[in-house]
Amino acid sequence: NAGVTQTPKFRVLKTGQSMTLLCAQDMNHEYMYWYRQDPGMGLRLIHYSVGEGTTAKGEVPDGYNVSRLKKQNFLLGLESAAPSQTSVYFCASRVAGTRETQYFGPGTRLLVL
Amino acid sequence: QKEVEQDPGPLSVPEGAIVSLNCTYSNSAFQYFMWYRQYSRKGPELLMYTYSSGNKEDGRFTAQVDKSSKYISLFIRDSQPSDSATYLCATESSYKLIFGSGTRLLVRP
Repeated sequence: NAGVTQTPKFRVLKTGQSMTLLCAQDMNHEYMYWYRQDPGMGLRLIHYSVGEGTTAKGEVPDGYNVSRLKKQNFLLGLESAAPSQTSVYFCASRVAGTRETQYFGPGTRLLVL
Repeated sequence: QKEVEQDPGPLSVPEGAIVSLNCTYSNSAFQYFMWYRQYSRKGPELLMYTYSSGNKEDGRFTAQVDKSSKYISLFIRDSQPSDSATYLCATESSYKLIFGSGTRLLVRP
């Protein structure tokens, strides 16, 4: 049982390039989330999904898109990377309808030059 | 105004000290509160949660909620160097968790 995994662990992009971050969970969780974490800003929610085929905007969605085609995967896309998107990105998942814990992945460090 | 406010620290204490970490929140409708611990270069992990008001104890850790003042606290007794981490408070609203900015704690040997 791997829990929540994220790919890649680290990436350097040039301004304007695109990329996709992959989150996978093997716990059969309905809810999945993408956060970014910046110094002094805490965890800010980018997008989330409450089930396969559904997505919703969080606090800071601009410049990002997401897809949840399979229950176990949640993809975060950057269409045209900007230096302001340099951050650490965390994916999380949890069971629907209960107050169970939210499990986080190990993070992806992204540097946009 | 942010919905959950937290002093970023850093907070530096000697080993064995009692640590008090605090957050305030703005919406009186929040009822479920959590503390996450995040070690350097790792994802956050749930440490404790409480529902509504009152205290909850787990070993050296005590979580406290005061709904009248919209104040949540985490106390760490007999702090250890291994407790050095960033502590994030959080509450739940409509499928989502709302996090404070985190307090960095350093426990000196």
